[in-house]
Amino acid sequence: DSGVTQTPKHLITATGQRVTLRCSPRSGDLSVYWYQQSLDQGLQFLIQYYNGEERAKGNILERFSAQQFPDLHSELNLSSLELGDSALYFCASSVQTGSLAYNEQFFGPGTRLTVL
Amino acid sequence: DQQVKQNSPSLSVQEGRISILNCDYTNSMFDYFLWYKKYPAEGPTFLISISSIKDKNEDGRFTVFLNKSAKHLSLHIVPSQPGDSAVYFCAASAFNFGNEKLTFGTGTRLTIIP
Repeated sequence: DSGVTQTPKHLITATGQRVTLRCSPRSGDLSVYWYQQSLDQGLQFLIQYYNGEERAKGNILERFSAQQFPDLHSELNLSSLELGDSALYFCASSVQTGSLAYNEQFFGPGTRLTVL
Repeated sequence: DQQVKQNSPSLSVQEGRISILNCDYTNSMFDYFLWYKKYPAEGPTFLISISSIKDKNEDGRFTVFLNKSAKHLSLHIVPSQPGDSAVYFCAASAFNFGNEKLTFGTGTRLTIIP
């Protein structure tokens, strides 16, 4: 158990709909990262939040947005869903001590989104 | 543009033998490399990492080798055990203070044959 929790575990919805995925980081971790894993693909970085502020953006579609709340949990909002958005969505957290040492990311179990 | 490549989608190894998983990268700005292991229905689990200032890092049965000139890294598992059967992802990061996003390869499915 990495200490990162994600809900829901599975989500089935229709095209055009909007969904919200939730992530709670490990206790003490200030950084949250979102990744998307499509079929037979590696994980693609979407977005990072650090202590409530957006820190970096990757290949995130304009239909997708995220936020990190004061209690440090994060939500990923996906709207106007398309069939191609079906994927595993992972959240990861890291401590981000502010030192120059790299801080490993710890991943949650993921949310499997199926768009029909 | 696949900056991290794992060219072998699958690998089968006899129990007790050495497993060698390979990874190539193209971005010379990458300075930290990691291996993650993933079981079905679970998130990736951190396994071992290496900084670009080193060429080898060892942790128990796992050793990661980095060849910067060839932009190549490999993960050695010895001896291989049935519980090592999983998908292994290579990942890389270009350190940018406060942003440590990972770029992942597509994974190699390792099967250990008893």
